[in-house]
Amino acid sequence: GENVEQHPSTLSVQEGDSAVIKCTYSDSASNYFPWYKQELGKRPQLIIDIRSNVGEKKDQRIAVTLNKTAKHFSLHITETQPEDSAVYFCAAFSAGTYKYIFGTGTRLKVLA
Amino acid sequence: GAVVSQHPSRVICKSGTSVKIECRSLDFQATTMFWYRQFPKQSLMLMATSNEGSKATYEQGVEKDKFLINHASLTLSTLTVTSAHPEDSSFYICSASADRGLQPQHFGDGTRLSIL
Repeated sequence: GENVEQHPSTLSVQEGDSAVIKCTYSDSASNYFPWYKQELGKRPQLIIDIRSNVGEKKDQRIAVTLNKTAKHFSLHITETQPEDSAVYFCAAFSAGTYKYIFGTGTRLKVLA
Repeated sequence: GAVVSQHPSRVICKSGTSVKIECRSLDFQATTMFWYRQFPKQSLMLMATSNEGSKATYEQGVEKDKFLINHASLTLSTLTVTSAHPEDSSFYICSASADRGLQPQHFGDGTRLSIL
């Protein structure tokens, strides 16, 4: 079945450093790839997304890249701040099944 | 825009009780609503996809008689956990999307269900 692998499961970085989280999807019909930030007990918040007709998208300190051939997409956070600490989930939406599959999550800790 | 309201936020009840959770899109028409379950420190697992006016599509392993989903209007979907037991305790979260999910999904605040 469809799945999305996400790595790493935990990531600790020093404040000001960059953080990179990677995901791989299996469903070739996937065409939309959002990234969510979730704080404990809260709803996931969309932080950036990318569609399959685009290779890269940037929004201030956050960027996402997509390699459709390899079925990889990555989240890049630069100049990390303590408030970036949270759990981050990638997801892939399939135009074949009309549903989202989530990655397993990455717990990011930014050390002050 | 794109606000989704989910109620209740927290439920504590005895084993055997049925619990209804509501998910409303407040400022847009949600043709599709997704229901997820999230265990502590785990990812969101899709339980079912609900399209307005039709029966929900359940994921493998999710009992449709246990988790009743109704999506009677373009702004409201409900999830009823019937005869809940302690193993049903979890964080349930809905999301709503226009255009069968082709538009981004917008999440409710989630419902933390605790069955004693």
